[in-house]
Amino acid sequence: DIVMTQTPLSAPVTLGQPASISCRSTESLLHTDGNTYLIWLQQRPGQPPRLLIYNIANRFSGVPDRFSGSGAGTDFTLKISRVEVEDVAVYYCAQATQFPITFGQGTRLEI
Amino acid sequence: QVQLEESGGGLVKPGGSLRLSCAASGFNFRDFYMMWLRQAPGQGLEWISYISNVGTTKYYADSVKGRFTISRDNAENSMSLQMDSLRVEDTAVYYCATSGMSRWGQGTLVTVSS
Repeated sequence: DIVMTQTPLSAPVTLGQPASISCRSTESLLHTDGNTYLIWLQQRPGQPPRLLIYNIANRFSGVPDRFSGSGAGTDFTLKISRVEVEDVAVYYCAQATQFPITFGQGTRLEI
Repeated sequence: QVQLEESGGGLVKPGGSLRLSCAASGFNFRDFYMMWLRQAPGQGLEWISYISNVGTTKYYADSVKGRFTISRDNAENSMSLQMDSLRVEDTAVYYCATSGMSRWGQGTLVTVSS
């Protein structure tokens, strides 16, 4: 199974300042079809997860452009250009390149 | 709008069974691959099962293989998860989601306890 490791697990942030979360996989997430199925999810307290980014860097519909994803192979990053109050949440990376689909442990963004 | 709604959760004793349902609306359900995921209290996300759009391909996490069965009814725009031989460690909020994780339901709580 592909193991996903996120750092940090807890990230104190300042409103208006940038934030960054790293995600590393134990194998390359490049699929034979040429896509890299690396996903970022946001989960606010008491809510189901919400898709932010798919295929490394594609923002899902309705996701603010202060969220961006980057990376390749086994190393990926989620960046928030300017943190807002509504960004307080747990963020998960996940790989869907191969089964079983696996998730990082989650990173708690705290103000 | 796109909506997924889980139902069927509840309290069950270890060794018991439960059947979860996921009702889909607002999109062409038959075109989408679907999944079940879960989240134990205070814990992270765990993928548990996947079904192709016509139901011919299914995958399971090792933690539920042989105990859980995924199915779907495209005529009814619904998906199910039959859970047998439940264990205390199956206690979690269960979510249905599209396979790209673009849409999630609100979840249904399953508690396995004596």
